[in-house]
Amino acid sequence: EPEVTQTPSHQVTQMGQEVILRCVPISNHLYFYWYRQILGQKVEFLVSFYNNEISEKSEIFDDQFSVERPDGSNFTLKIRSTKLEDSAMYFCASSTRDRERDNEQFFGPGTRLTVL
Amino acid sequence: AQSVTQLDSHVSVSEGTPVLLRCNYSSSYSPSLFWYVQHPNKGLQLLLKYTSAATLVKGINGFEAEFKKSETSFHLTKPSAHMSDAAEYFCVVTLPYYGQNFVFGPGTRLSVLP
Repeated sequence: EPEVTQTPSHQVTQMGQEVILRCVPISNHLYFYWYRQILGQKVEFLVSFYNNEISEKSEIFDDQFSVERPDGSNFTLKIRSTKLEDSAMYFCASSTRDRERDNEQFFGPGTRLTVL
Repeated sequence: AQSVTQLDSHVSVSEGTPVLLRCNYSSSYSPSLFWYVQHPNKGLQLLLKYTSAATLVKGINGFEAEFKKSETSFHLTKPSAHMSDAAEYFCVVTLPYYGQNFVFGPGTRLSVLP
Protein backbone atom coordinates (compact mmCIF):
# COMPACT_ATOMS: atom_id res chain seq x y z
CA GLU A 1 0.00 0.00 0.00
CA PRO A 2 1.30 3.51 -0.78
CA GLU A 3 2.92 5.34 2.14
CA VAL A 4 3.81 8.85 3.17
CA THR A 5 7.58 9.17 3.51
CA GLN A 6 9.60 11.76 5.43
CA THR A 7 13.26 12.72 5.40
CA PRO A 8 15.40 12.95 7.37
CA SER A 9 14.31 10.68 10.19
CA HIS A 10 16.35 12.75 12.64
CA GLN A 11 17.69 16.28 12.25
CA VAL A 12 19.98 17.98 14.72
CA THR A 13 20.54 21.71 14.35
CA GLN A 14 21.88 24.70 16.23
CA MET A 15 19.50 27.34 17.57
CA GLY A 16 18.96 30.07 15.00
CA GLN A 17 19.64 27.85 12.02
CA GLU A 18 17.13 27.16 9.25
CA VAL A 19 15.84 23.63 8.70
CA ILE A 20 13.75 22.08 5.96
CA LEU A 21 11.76 18.96 6.68
CA ARG A 22 10.71 16.99 3.65
CA CYS A 23 7.70 14.83 2.96
CA VAL A 24 6.51 12.86 -0.04
CA PRO A 25 2.72 12.44 0.28
CA ILE A 26 0.78 9.64 -1.38
CA SER A 27 0.72 10.43 -5.06
CA ASN A 28 -3.01 10.94 -5.74
CA HIS A 29 -3.71 12.80 -2.52
CA LEU A 30 -4.87 16.39 -2.59
CA TYR A 31 -4.61 17.62 1.02
CA PHE A 32 -1.38 17.88 2.96
CA TYR A 33 -0.72 18.57 6.61
CA TRP A 34 2.02 19.09 9.15
CA TYR A 35 1.64 18.19 12.81
CA ARG A 36 4.15 18.24 15.65
CA GLN A 37 4.50 16.32 18.87
CA ILE A 38 6.72 17.73 21.58
CA LEU A 39 8.18 14.92 23.67
CA GLY A 40 5.61 13.61 26.13
CA GLN A 41 2.83 15.82 24.79
CA LYS A 42 -0.03 15.41 22.38
CA VAL A 43 0.08 15.74 18.61
CA GLU A 44 -0.73 19.31 17.52
CA PHE A 45 -1.90 20.58 14.16
CA LEU A 46 0.36 23.09 12.45
CA VAL A 47 -0.91 23.69 8.92
CA SER A 48 -2.96 22.26 6.08
CA PHE A 49 -2.33 22.82 2.38
CA TYR A 50 -4.60 22.39 -0.62
CA ASN A 51 -4.46 23.54 -4.21
CA ASN A 52 -1.04 25.09 -3.69
CA GLU A 53 -1.97 27.29 -0.81
CA ILE A 54 -2.41 27.15 2.95
CA SER A 55 -6.01 26.32 3.80
CA GLU A 56 -5.72 26.48 7.57
CA LYS A 57 -3.02 27.10 10.16
CA SER A 58 -2.80 27.00 13.92
CA GLU A 59 -1.47 29.62 16.32
CA ILE A 60 1.77 27.66 16.47
CA PHE A 61 2.39 28.25 12.76
CA ASP A 62 3.85 31.75 13.03
CA ASP A 63 6.07 33.71 10.67
CA GLN A 64 9.08 31.50 11.25
CA PHE A 65 7.28 28.60 9.58
CA SER A 66 6.52 28.15 5.90
CA VAL A 67 5.35 25.32 3.67
CA GLU A 68 5.87 24.64 0.03
CA ARG A 69 5.10 22.07 -2.61
CA PRO A 70 8.03 22.83 -4.88
CA ASP A 71 7.76 20.14 -7.52
CA GLY A 72 4.41 18.38 -7.39
CA SER A 73 5.65 15.50 -5.27
CA ASN A 74 7.51 16.92 -2.26
CA PHE A 75 5.85 18.87 0.54
CA THR A 76 8.26 20.77 2.77
CA LEU A 77 8.14 22.52 6.12
CA LYS A 78 10.74 25.24 6.64
CA ILE A 79 11.60 26.66 10.03
CA ARG A 80 13.54 29.86 9.43
CA SER A 81 15.32 30.42 12.73
CA THR A 82 14.98 27.45 15.02
CA LYS A 83 14.41 27.83 18.75
CA LEU A 84 14.97 25.31 21.51
CA GLU A 85 11.20 24.87 21.87
CA ASP A 86 10.95 23.74 18.22
CA SER A 87 12.47 20.43 19.27
CA ALA A 88 9.75 17.89 18.52
CA MET A 89 8.65 15.08 16.25
CA TYR A 90 7.14 16.51 13.08
CA PHE A 91 4.59 14.42 11.21
CA CYS A 92 3.47 14.93 7.65
CA ALA A 93 0.08 13.60 6.56
CA SER A 94 -1.98 13.52 3.40
CA SER A 95 -5.56 12.72 2.45
CA THR A 96 -7.68 12.36 -0.63
CA ARG A 97 -11.20 13.06 -1.85
CA ASP A 98 -12.21 9.44 -1.93
CA ARG A 99 -15.65 8.43 -0.69
CA GLU A 100 -14.30 5.11 0.49
CA ARG A 101 -11.51 6.76 2.49
CA ASP A 102 -13.69 9.60 3.75
CA ASN A 103 -11.39 12.10 5.45
CA GLU A 104 -8.83 9.64 6.76
CA GLN A 105 -5.32 11.03 6.95
CA PHE A 106 -2.23 8.96 6.26
CA PHE A 107 0.76 9.82 8.41
CA GLY A 108 4.44 9.57 7.68
CA PRO A 109 6.90 8.08 10.19
CA GLY A 110 7.96 11.53 11.41
CA THR A 111 11.14 13.59 11.58
CA ARG A 112 12.64 14.10 15.01
CA LEU A 113 14.05 17.63 15.19
CA THR A 114 16.53 18.38 17.94
CA VAL A 115 17.56 22.02 18.42
CA LEU A 116 20.71 22.53 20.49
CA ALA B 1 -14.39 23.94 17.64
CA GLN B 2 -13.55 20.34 18.35
CA SER B 3 -11.81 18.89 21.38
CA VAL B 4 -10.97 15.46 22.75
CA THR B 5 -10.56 14.21 26.29
CA GLN B 6 -8.84 10.95 27.12
CA LEU B 7 -9.50 10.48 30.78
CA ASP B 8 -6.72 8.02 31.47
CA SER B 9 -3.14 8.99 30.75
CA HIS B 10 -1.98 5.47 31.57
CA VAL B 11 -3.81 2.13 31.59
CA SER B 12 -2.20 -1.09 32.72
CA VAL B 13 -3.74 -4.51 32.02
CA SER B 14 -2.62 -8.11 32.21
CA GLU B 15 -2.13 -10.10 29.05
CA GLY B 16 -5.36 -11.85 28.08
CA THR B 17 -7.64 -9.42 29.95
CA PRO B 18 -9.94 -6.84 28.33
CA VAL B 19 -8.79 -3.38 27.34
CA LEU B 20 -10.87 -0.21 27.69
CA LEU B 21 -9.45 3.14 26.62
CA ARG B 22 -11.84 6.04 27.11
CA CYS B 23 -12.41 8.96 24.78
CA ASN B 24 -14.92 11.79 25.00
CA TYR B 25 -15.25 14.47 22.38
CA SER B 26 -16.78 17.84 21.85
CA SER B 27 -17.83 19.00 18.40
CA SER B 28 -20.14 21.61 16.93
CA TYR B 29 -21.16 19.21 14.18
CA SER B 30 -21.50 15.45 13.85
CA PRO B 31 -17.84 14.50 13.85
CA SER B 32 -15.60 11.93 12.30
CA LEU B 33 -13.64 10.05 14.96
CA PHE B 34 -10.49 8.00 14.75
CA TRP B 35 -8.19 5.97 16.95
CA TYR B 36 -4.50 5.94 16.10
CA VAL B 37 -1.76 3.87 17.75
CA GLN B 38 1.87 4.88 18.14
CA HIS B 39 4.44 2.27 19.08
CA PRO B 40 7.71 3.51 20.60
CA ASN B 41 9.77 5.48 18.08
CA LYS B 42 7.25 4.75 15.34
CA GLY B 43 4.72 6.78 13.39
CA LEU B 44 0.95 6.92 13.74
CA GLN B 45 -1.06 3.94 12.56
CA LEU B 46 -4.81 4.02 12.03
CA LEU B 47 -6.68 1.50 14.18
CA LEU B 48 -10.24 2.36 13.20
CA LYS B 49 -12.54 5.20 12.21
CA TYR B 50 -16.15 6.33 12.60
CA THR B 51 -17.53 8.41 9.76
CA SER B 52 -21.33 8.36 10.28
CA ALA B 53 -21.96 4.81 9.14
CA ALA B 54 -22.30 2.00 11.70
CA THR B 55 -21.88 3.14 15.30
CA LEU B 56 -19.90 0.01 16.25
CA VAL B 57 -16.66 0.10 14.35
CA LYS B 58 -14.22 -2.76 14.03
CA GLY B 59 -10.57 -2.08 13.43
CA ILE B 60 -7.30 -3.89 13.09
CA ASN B 61 -5.77 -6.27 15.64
CA GLY B 62 -9.12 -7.06 17.29
CA PHE B 63 -9.89 -3.52 18.44
CA GLU B 64 -13.33 -1.99 18.19
CA ALA B 65 -15.02 1.22 19.27
CA GLU B 66 -18.59 2.35 19.71
CA PHE B 67 -19.79 5.83 18.85
CA LYS B 68 -22.34 7.00 21.43
CA LYS B 69 -23.71 10.40 20.50
CA SER B 70 -25.75 10.76 23.70
CA GLU B 71 -22.60 10.31 25.78
CA THR B 72 -20.27 12.03 23.29
CA SER B 73 -17.99 9.05 23.66
CA PHE B 74 -15.92 6.84 21.41
CA HIS B 75 -14.27 4.32 23.75
CA LEU B 76 -11.80 1.78 22.39
CA THR B 77 -12.04 -1.84 23.50
CA LYS B 78 -10.37 -5.16 22.92
CA PRO B 79 -11.52 -8.44 24.50
CA SER B 80 -8.05 -9.82 25.19
CA ALA B 81 -4.85 -7.81 25.44
CA HIS B 82 -1.64 -8.97 23.83
CA MET B 83 1.88 -7.91 24.75
CA SER B 84 2.24 -6.28 21.33
CA ASP B 85 -0.64 -3.92 22.15
CA ALA B 86 1.59 -1.93 24.50
CA ALA B 87 1.75 1.52 22.91
CA GLU B 88 0.35 5.06 23.01
CA TYR B 89 -3.22 5.43 21.76
CA PHE B 90 -4.67 8.67 20.45
CA CYS B 91 -8.32 9.51 19.95
CA VAL B 92 -8.87 12.03 17.16
CA VAL B 93 -11.86 14.19 16.22
CA THR B 94 -12.40 16.11 13.04
CA LEU B 95 -15.19 17.57 10.97
CA PRO B 96 -16.63 15.15 8.43
CA TYR B 97 -15.44 17.07 5.40
CA TYR B 98 -12.44 16.65 3.15
CA GLY B 99 -9.30 18.50 4.15
CA GLN B 100 -10.18 19.20 7.77
CA ASN B 101 -7.37 19.14 10.32
CA PHE B 102 -7.28 16.54 13.04
CA VAL B 103 -7.62 17.39 16.73
CA PHE B 104 -5.77 14.87 18.86
CA GLY B 105 -6.48 13.83 22.40
CA PRO B 106 -3.60 13.80 24.88
CA GLY B 107 -3.08 10.07 24.47
CA THR B 108 -3.33 7.01 26.70
CA ARG B 109 -0.31 4.85 27.31
CA LEU B 110 -1.28 1.18 27.45
CA SER B 111 0.97 -1.19 29.35
CA VAL B 112 0.40 -4.94 29.09
CA LEU B 113 1.77 -7.05 31.91
CA PRO B 114 2.73 -10.71 31.45
